[in-house]
Amino acid sequence: DQQVKQNSPSLSVQEGRISILNCDYTNSMFDYFLWYKKYPAEGPTFLISISSIKDKNEDGRFTVFLNKSAKHLSLHIVPSQPGDSAVYFCAASLGRSSGGSYIPTFGRGTSLIVHP
Amino acid sequence: DGGITQSPKYLFRKEGQNVTLSCEQNLNHDAMYWYRQDPGQGLRLIYYSQIVNDFQKGDIAEGYSVSREKKESFPLTVTSAQKNPTAFYLCASSPYTGELFFGEGSRLTVL
Repeated sequence: DQQVKQNSPSLSVQEGRISILNCDYTNSMFDYFLWYKKYPAEGPTFLISISSIKDKNEDGRFTVFLNKSAKHLSLHIVPSQPGDSAVYFCAASLGRSSGGSYIPTFGRGTSLIVHP
Repeated sequence: DGGITQSPKYLFRKEGQNVTLSCEQNLNHDAMYWYRQDPGQGLRLIYYSQIVNDFQKGDIAEGYSVSREKKESFPLTVTSAQKNPTAFYLCASSPYTGELFFGEGSRLTVL
């Protein structure tokens, strides 16, 4: 049973437009959320995170929004660039304040293609 | 440069053979992890270790073994008991901030 779900396997966006990647989770105890970016045949790299005490975190072109009541988070990329084309993984974990150990559970990923 | 080194990058194995994937980190992280990636499956946790000489099974530990004799090293052995070992294997480490730092990955193919 998937605890972290990325229901869109792929997303295609025009350069300069906004990319919105979605993620849903089922475990209400999760209190730390992360997004990773992965190119083929490489390891994922950390992109941005958000704690459950916040509902928004921004870093340059990347913004993550968290809706705890809906158990939903999204990653917005504005403006999208061709170099953003990659697989994006959503991950959720229990932090130490919740008695957890930050071991993340990953979604299956969304492949983003940004067309020039 | 600090980072995580996985080797080999590509590995071929005959059925029935054990194979060991190396993972070394010089980030001074306490926690290390092994994940497996299959197409459309995301990243699944095989084993993790939060301290030297201790490790825990993840979601798909069957057919795998690990050791953590040194803080810097967390090798993964894929045994002949693993029925479907062809996959992309990822090692990661963490300083307990929630963020994982991944290696470049090792692709194992069973012939």
